[in-house]
Amino acid sequence: DVKVTQSSRYLVKRTGEKVFLECVQDMDHENMFWYRQDPGLGLRLIYFSYDVKMKEKGDIPEGYSVSREKKERFSLILESASTNQTSMYLCASSPDTPEAFFGQGTRLTVV
Amino acid sequence: AQRVTQPEKLLSVFKGAPVELKCNYSYSGSPELFWYVQYSRQRLQLLLRHISRESIKGFTADLNKGETSFHLKKPFAQEEDSAMYYCALSPNYGGATNKLIFGTGTLLAVQP
Repeated sequence: DVKVTQSSRYLVKRTGEKVFLECVQDMDHENMFWYRQDPGLGLRLIYFSYDVKMKEKGDIPEGYSVSREKKERFSLILESASTNQTSMYLCASSPDTPEAFFGQGTRLTVV
Repeated sequence: AQRVTQPEKLLSVFKGAPVELKCNYSYSGSPELFWYVQYSRQRLQLLLRHISRESIKGFTADLNKGETSFHLKKPFAQEEDSAMYYCALSPNYGGATNKLIFGTGTLLAVQP
């Protein structure tokens, strides 16, 4: 059974803080993704990575960065959190096919 | 531009009624299409993909390239089908073949 684990279910951070969201997968998948999920907007891709140390911007990368130092771990970094980054963040991984396996999500609130 | 459109935010039906969740896409190539589902308090998971042509939990979806649609159907809705459904597209080119583009989702509510 594929496991994609996000380090926190809920986070509350202050405006301007640097925030790290961590994601780990245990199935040796090449591809990993970060999405944000907002009501009425669906899932929007922030960044994805198809190999260690490789990353590509998704549709809404502004205000975010990512790190993939090891194959199993993909981190999303909010350089200076703002209230408009309050959202549900979903991490996913996939093998060399488009079928994605999702984590349980991190609900981030920026106050 | 690649886009997935789900025109209904909410679809409410009675148990036993037929269900059709609409999905239209815009893409110039030959994409792969998927339906993902998120039940309450559970993680998002794959329901079905067009290339497998399977029926999962009684749901089917047919890719209509002429109408660029991939509607999800079930003849008789069950209360346990209540969930958020997302249609997704995977572009079929280069290094982005495994990227998924999602629609805005449709909340299906099946009333007893």
